[in-house]
Amino acid sequence: SQQGEEDPQALSIQEGENATMNCSYKTSINNLQWYRQNSGRGLVHLILIRSNEREKHSGRLRVTLDTSKKSSSLLITASRAADTASYFCATGGDDKIIFGKGTRLHILP
Amino acid sequence: DGGITQSPKYLFRKEGQNVTLSCEQNLNHDAMYWYRQDPGQGLRLIYYSQIVNDFQKGDIAEGYSVSREKKESFPLTVTSAQKNPTAFYLCASSRDRTLKADQPQHFGDGTRLSIL
Repeated sequence: SQQGEEDPQALSIQEGENATMNCSYKTSINNLQWYRQNSGRGLVHLILIRSNEREKHSGRLRVTLDTSKKSSSLLITASRAADTASYFCATGGDDKIIFGKGTRLHILP
Repeated sequence: DGGITQSPKYLFRKEGQNVTLSCEQNLNHDAMYWYRQDPGQGLRLIYYSQIVNDFQKGDIAEGYSVSREKKESFPLTVTSAQKNPTAFYLCASSRDRTLKADQPQHFGDGTRLSIL
């Protein structure tokens, strides 16, 4: 069964606004990653958060992890047109890495 | 620049034909992976390899085969046994095997396979 499930499936916001997307998972994990995929391209790693961490920052990205709720969120602040892409979470447990179905983010000019 | 090169970008398969997708990396990574991506879906693991001459089946290995004769190369063959091969295929690598998601995976730009 799918481990990571992103929410919402699609999101459109105005340029300059903040974008928040969520990932929920079912079983215990060791680590969680977020990736970006531009249309027709491969995935690009954004950030990794370990199960004993609660929050990580990287530039305009902020990731939180709540292991009690089995969920993570990715916040992109001050969005730009170049942020238009699909965003995937990937969870790693005991010898298994699973990617979610992704959130399609569209930044409106 | 180091990275992963997948070729061709587009590939067409005739009925009953085997086709091979190329994946080359110059990152000196030990582990390599093949994923399948269908529209609106997440990535599903086909095969992975920890070291040369070793590879393991992923979640959807039926109808696919791989080889790992060189560290840099991990080609994927889509055989005629794969009845629904139309998809976007992504190759990735990581420093070590990382099914625990404890290292970043580096991805190529994919091969889109279609049926004629």
